[in-house]
Amino acid sequence: QVELVQSGAEVKKPGASVKVSCKASGYTFASHDINWVRQATGQGLEWMGWMSPTSGNTDFAQKFQGRVTMTRDTSISTAYMELSSLRSDDTAIYYCARGNFDSRMDVWGIGTTVTVSS
Amino acid sequence: QSVLTQPPSVSGAPGQRVTILCTGSSSNIGAGYDLHWYQQLPGTAPKLLIYDNTNRPSGVPDRFSGSKSGTSASLTITGLQAEDEADYYCQSYDSSLSGVVFGGGTKLTVL
Repeated sequence: QVELVQSGAEVKKPGASVKVSCKASGYTFASHDINWVRQATGQGLEWMGWMSPTSGNTDFAQKFQGRVTMTRDTSISTAYMELSSLRSDDTAIYYCARGNFDSRMDVWGIGTTVTVSS
Repeated sequence: QSVLTQPPSVSGAPGQRVTILCTGSSSNIGAGYDLHWYQQLPGTAPKLLIYDNTNRPSGVPDRFSGSKSGTSASLTITGLQAEDEADYYCQSYDSSLSGVVFGGGTKLTVL
């Protein structure tokens, strides 16, 4: 079955970086973009950006430009999202989601909890 | 402040019908970009519920339906069931922001 498996929870100190992985299975990794969406506790969904597994091209929400990097390793069908200069308000669940041409996200990972605390 | 506006909460009794409105603008819904709806049950990841304004993915009950008109879209749930209690989000693309946008989410309470 089509699945996105994310890496485990992370605890980081302010100013550090975090790298979350998202391994795709059950479909051709190159055929769909990967989106990253985050959700702070009790808050709504916030789109961070997307990456094309084929070209490696990325597009980020303005809020995260300069602080987020999205990469991939096509040999293991895995996408990565790295967020730097972490602050306490970056504490959230980070989801990867499979994208489509019409922007819909039809498969989601279970999420990775990132906690930023001194 | 979300680019797409949803009511924070709606409620209905079992068996009733509820509608959740998602209001956008000429740079997203009004520009013709597709509108999608997600259901997020407590403690779980979002799940695609309606895509391309009106379509249901396989496995989604036909109690759920979507529509779009002008700069707004709506999600209608008929025959409310207790298991429908969840947060619902609309999502589209915005040309001014050159990116994906979500509504702020609507919490559905089944009375």
